[in-house]
Amino acid sequence: QQQVKQSPQSLIVQKGGISIINCAYENTAFDYFPWYQQFPGKGPALLIAIRPDVSEKKEGRFTISFNKSAKQFSLHIMDSQPGDSATYFCAASGKTSGSRLTFGEGTQLTVNP
Amino acid sequence: EPEVTQTPSHQVTQMGQEVILRCVPISNHLYFYWYRQILGQKVEFLVSFYNNEISEKSEIFDDQFSVERPDGSNFTLKIRSTKLEDSAMYFCASSEDWWGDTQYFGPGTRLTVL
Repeated sequence: QQQVKQSPQSLIVQKGGISIINCAYENTAFDYFPWYQQFPGKGPALLIAIRPDVSEKKEGRFTISFNKSAKQFSLHIMDSQPGDSATYFCAASGKTSGSRLTFGEGTQLTVNP
Repeated sequence: EPEVTQTPSHQVTQMGQEVILRCVPISNHLYFYWYRQILGQKVEFLVSFYNNEISEKSEIFDDQFSVERPDGSNFTLKIRSTKLEDSAMYFCASSEDWWGDTQYFGPGTRLTVL
């Protein structure tokens, strides 16, 4: 009930391409969905977040698409760059589950030059 | 830009020993968290802390774990008797507000239990 499923586990994209990472959740009480970016040896850093009152949020090259009925959300990275190579985690939290973030399994993104 | 700091960056200990991991959250933040990440796995919630008491804890956070805010700036995680399976990266995080607010993560402490 509390799980967040993330796919793919790893992703290789050419520079300039679009990277797409998908997440699905089960708990309908989740109502805050952040994406975190993690570089080796560093802590996760918030990239972008969305609440279910909107279906899409864009910040620069990063876009979250949210489908409430399907209980799915995805991260799109446009014009992917080698510097985007990192591990990406989706997460979710909800008022009824408190402030804890439930993370997906992570996606290792590699952007080839 | 304010950031969460953690010490030490790497801690090696023998099984059964006590360890204390230290964190300095962002100064105006009121909510504090510990998460852990076993190598190659996802980040898992351990505990949240507000107003000098635990707000919530996961099933991982058993009696071997404790948290404390000993002064106005530090936030610590103590593991009383470490096990091999406690080997992981431990992240401290803090947020200004509760639900739905950005949690800022520190760089982590890598704990290795031998």
